[in-house]
Amino acid sequence: DTAVSQTPKYLVTQMGNDKSIKCEQNLGHDTMYWYKQDSKKFLKIMFSYNNKELIINETVPNRFSPKSPDKAHLNLHINSLELGDSAVYFCASSHRTGGQETQYFGPGTRLLVL
Amino acid sequence: GESVGLHLPTLSVQEGDNSIINCAYSNSASDYFIWYKQESGKGPQFIIDIRSNMDKRQGQRVTVLLNKTVKHLSLQIAATQPGDSAVYFCAEPIRSGNTGKLIFGQGTTLQVKP
Repeated sequence: DTAVSQTPKYLVTQMGNDKSIKCEQNLGHDTMYWYKQDSKKFLKIMFSYNNKELIINETVPNRFSPKSPDKAHLNLHINSLELGDSAVYFCASSHRTGGQETQYFGPGTRLLVL
Repeated sequence: GESVGLHLPTLSVQEGDNSIINCAYSNSASDYFIWYKQESGKGPQFIIDIRSNMDKRQGQRVTVLLNKTVKHLSLQIAATQPGDSAVYFCAEPIRSGNTGKLIFGQGTTLQVKP
């Protein structure tokens, strides 16, 4: 029943490792997003995909590579993890409605880089 | 650039009292705002939205007020309950091509005292 789901919920890893976070939505939306929330709860967009096409890339380091195999999935791969990558990563999806879209968020993936 | 911000990082209220959470924005051309609620360990959840052609919009126990003159909006929660304890964000969708990104304010943590 979960509309937007993410795996894993928690991810603890060593600096320098490569890891992936997966996101799936069953809402039939055509746009998906990745947001990063820092320790002060500040939420900032990283990427946006529309119909599997990258639309927004908010000057995120190229160690972060999103991949959208289909409209229902948007995965985030992170190479050479750094301490500063520790954060909560949220996936979201939306369906364009008159140009103003309600975005639905997943439960988040808590990444801790040691 | 665009920005939205909240006035108080933390608001503590007694159960049963009304809560008012404030938000300011910088772009006078902004025409749509959304309030999100984020409970501990979860993703942001849509509460209510308002368009710039309105001054007030009411939902169930929540009211959003928009003052375009001073570029300020507020979220009012009536008869605050323990389940209202969360971080509240105002957000503004910014259009970008076929999609949009949400610009979030800093967030106000609402603590409800029993």
